[in-house]
Amino acid sequence: DTEVTQTPKHLVMGMTNKKSLKCEQHMGHRAMYWYKQKAKKPPELMFVYSYEKLSINESVPSRFSPECPNSSLLNLHLHALQPEDSALYLCASSQEPIRGLSGNTIYFGEGSWLTVV
Amino acid sequence: QQPVQSPQAVILREGEDAVINCSSSKALYSVHWYRQKHGEAPVFLMILLKGGEQKGHEKISASFNEKKQQSSLYLTASQLSYSGTYFCGTAPVNFGNEKLTFGTGTRLTIIP
Repeated sequence: DTEVTQTPKHLVMGMTNKKSLKCEQHMGHRAMYWYKQKAKKPPELMFVYSYEKLSINESVPSRFSPECPNSSLLNLHLHALQPEDSALYLCASSQEPIRGLSGNTIYFGEGSWLTVV
Repeated sequence: QQPVQSPQAVILREGEDAVINCSSSKALYSVHWYRQKHGEAPVFLMILLKGGEQKGHEKISASFNEKKQQSSLYLTASQLSYSGTYFCGTAPVNFGNEKLTFGTGTRLTIIP
């Protein structure tokens, strides 16, 4: 099973709302990622968790707050977002990351379409 | 910086061949190739590690020249199912695939 599951698939939220995106994988992967993708653009890395610890934050605004409760789950908490934050948010996972080596396939979920009104 | 892909878009008839190029300004350890159909998640195609290797996957193959920091994806005898946007993802030498950066994308349209 090479599946990364994301919920919800679609989310509309106001600028004062608090919501969360959820991601789950059962492949035993120890690296999990959040990417943001705007229309007709490539995915942009937001956060990386390695062994449930935040290892990379690509200078993402604090209104996005990631959380990794355990090795299978990854959340993205959203608060006071702006309309320009509307995008497809992709979760991904891969086998344990090793600095200086690469070659692990990154598996993506179907994404959560977020609209901020 | 983001890897640059060329061409930006290409339209082919079914059965024709295509080449998609990916060029980086940074030293690379690996190149990953993905295809994304509209409204769907990126789907992994293949990874190439430094060593100038070439890999194949049925009618889709790729090469990686780490000295030139370039990779090319070859699609032969294209099928309708090949339509989509192709992204290369590059990992720098000093990081693993934690730091995968996607290229600008190439939109491929296959027509009957």
